[in-house]
Amino acid sequence: SQTIHQWPATLVQPVGSPLSLECTVEGTSNPNLYWYRQAAGRGLQLLFYSVGIGQISSEVPQNLSASRPQDRQFILSSKKLLLSDSGFYLCAWSVPGVSNQPQHFGDGTRLSIL
Amino acid sequence: GDSVTQMEGPVTLSEEAFLTINCTYTATGYPSLFWYVQYPGEGLQLLLKATKADDKGSNKGFEATYRKETTSFHLEKGSVQVSDSAVYFCALSSKGTGNQFYFGTGTSLTVIP
Repeated sequence: SQTIHQWPATLVQPVGSPLSLECTVEGTSNPNLYWYRQAAGRGLQLLFYSVGIGQISSEVPQNLSASRPQDRQFILSSKKLLLSDSGFYLCAWSVPGVSNQPQHFGDGTRLSIL
Repeated sequence: GDSVTQMEGPVTLSEEAFLTINCTYTATGYPSLFWYVQYPGEGLQLLLKATKADDKGSNKGFEATYRKETTSFHLEKGSVQVSDSAVYFCALSSKGTGNQFYFGTGTSLTVIP
């Protein structure tokens, strides 16, 4: 069966520090991968999605970036965090090429910026 | 473009009450529709789905019917429990690059004993 792992589960970082969040998927090949951010009490904001290695689409211009160095690995990064980067970050995957399959989410990373 | 509109919360119900959370959508073509549930501090879990008109998705006592004529996918449960307290998201998926998903803003449900 397929599983998705995100880490770390929680992170406290000072303003201006770098960020690296990692997400890996097991049990499937060439998944579509997604990064979302969820502000407290709010809905989901799609940040990036990827349909293959090295292929990243950005939905919201900001100081965050994403990379997909391997087929089932998706990394969210920042060189200098802002206070507004606080939130709950969710990684998700889906089967490519079919719209009737759901997205599957990881457990999320709670990021607090001080 | 495609979008999902979900009823605003929060919703507070007594245990064993009937639940309806409204969801309507706008889409070109024939999207698939989903309901997700998010418990505090966790990721989203798929609750149910429907992939074509008149399909009914069901799971754990929750139901939703894909109504093309009213472009709706309302979530219902006949008798809620305290353990159903969570945030519920309606979503649609349409074909295209990256299998874009569109999520509603979420509805927070609190069930009191």
